[in-house]
Amino acid sequence: ETGVTQTPRHLVMGMTNKKSLKCEQHLGHNAMYWYKQSAKKPLELMFVYNFKEQTENNSVPSRFSPECPNSSHLFLHLHTLQPEDSALYLCASSQEPKETGELFFGEGSRLTVL
Amino acid sequence: GQQLNQSPQSMFIQEGEDVSMNCTSSSIFNTWLWYKQEPGEGPVLLIALYKAGELTSNGRLTAQFGITRKDSFLNISASIPSDVGIYFCAGSFSGSARQLTFGSGTQLTVLP
Repeated sequence: ETGVTQTPRHLVMGMTNKKSLKCEQHLGHNAMYWYKQSAKKPLELMFVYNFKEQTENNSVPSRFSPECPNSSHLFLHLHTLQPEDSALYLCASSQEPKETGELFFGEGSRLTVL
Repeated sequence: GQQLNQSPQSMFIQEGEDVSMNCTSSSIFNTWLWYKQEPGEGPVLLIALYKAGELTSNGRLTAQFGITRKDSFLNISASIPSDVGIYFCAGSFSGSARQLTFGSGTQLTVLP
């Protein structure tokens, strides 16, 4: 039990589908993150929300749309994805400001785009 | 942007052997973190370092914050099969989690 729960764990979708990834954190943190993990590459930060406000959007294509309704929940809405978007999508949370840099990750959602 | 070079990319070792891996940065960091990711799981924090020269242990794991603040090392002593996984370094200048830069990982395989 990591304190950060992601659903679904696995998702297969076609390029024309619309789906969403969900993340919930039970740690009382105020910042939540989406990362993309591809094989043998560093984790790529996609979005950051702090106190429900989006503070980072690292040039992510508009086919990825985040939503943060409150400090405990984070969604990633997916629409007309490409095969190269297949990856493990990791949600994380932290308490900010707390200059320890520690992130707490969920188990990830493995996405396959056909 | 900041870059982290993590090596080796992969390691195959015999059970009982010691393991060393390292990360070097193109710029100075004030925080170094080491994470482990097991198959099918998310990364879990192993050790956090906040001071140049700091040496911190967590069981059989020992990590060091390089004196130049541009590198960090992780050692695992007497490896066991459950040490299998991907080990990531991460660093930050500001100390903020949102500004972490990650290495590309070291895939560790422990052979019985």
